[in-house]
Amino acid sequence: SQKIEQNSEALNIQEGKTATLTCNYTNYSPAYLQWYRQDPGRGPVFLLLIRENEKEKRKERLKVTFDTTLKQSLFHITASQPADSATYLCALDLNTGTASKLTFGTGTRLQVTL
Amino acid sequence: DTGVSQDPRHKITKRGQNVTFRCDPISEHNRLYWYRQTLGQGPEFLTYFQNEAQLEKSRLLSDRFSAERPKGSFSTLEIQRTEQGDSAMYLCASSPGQGTLGYGYTFGSGTRLTVV
Repeated sequence: SQKIEQNSEALNIQEGKTATLTCNYTNYSPAYLQWYRQDPGRGPVFLLLIRENEKEKRKERLKVTFDTTLKQSLFHITASQPADSATYLCALDLNTGTASKLTFGTGTRLQVTL
Repeated sequence: DTGVSQDPRHKITKRGQNVTFRCDPISEHNRLYWYRQTLGQGPEFLTYFQNEAQLEKSRLLSDRFSAERPKGSFSTLEIQRTEQGDSAMYLCASSPGQGTLGYGYTFGSGTRLTVV
């Protein structure tokens, strides 16, 4: 069966450190992989998109890697801040040709403490 | 145009009643999506529109659920004969659609439905 797995346990990290979140998937061949941030009671906010032929993508303090052999994406936040505390969702875009449709993981909650 | 708007933000209804939610996407976006999210889970895909055409519906979308996007602009999601299991956050998202290029979605803040 198809699965997208993210750490269900919260990740607690000290301010200033690098947070690394993992997204593993099985039985998918995504064309793209996206990462979103979600705060309580709000809709997800798009952060980064990485294509299947890209290994790494950066945006300010964020970095995403995509390994289609390992079927894994890593999401890094460098110099983390308490304001980075949120749930982070990975999403696969299967891009079947008729539609670009995202399938989401369950998310990992990140807590950055002082 | 400040983003995706959803109305209402919260809805409490009695079991068996019908409810309708509205979504106003970003005006330049021709793709519109409905998702449902329950506590501790990621958003689950419900349905998708390209302009006014509904191109895909999830198996999650029972015959009590119907969605429309009559003029390719705003969309409505109706749930008939609501059940307690319908309680969830209903999220709308929009994106540009050009061939097979991937784009990030812009989500609204959602409608929180509680069925009592």
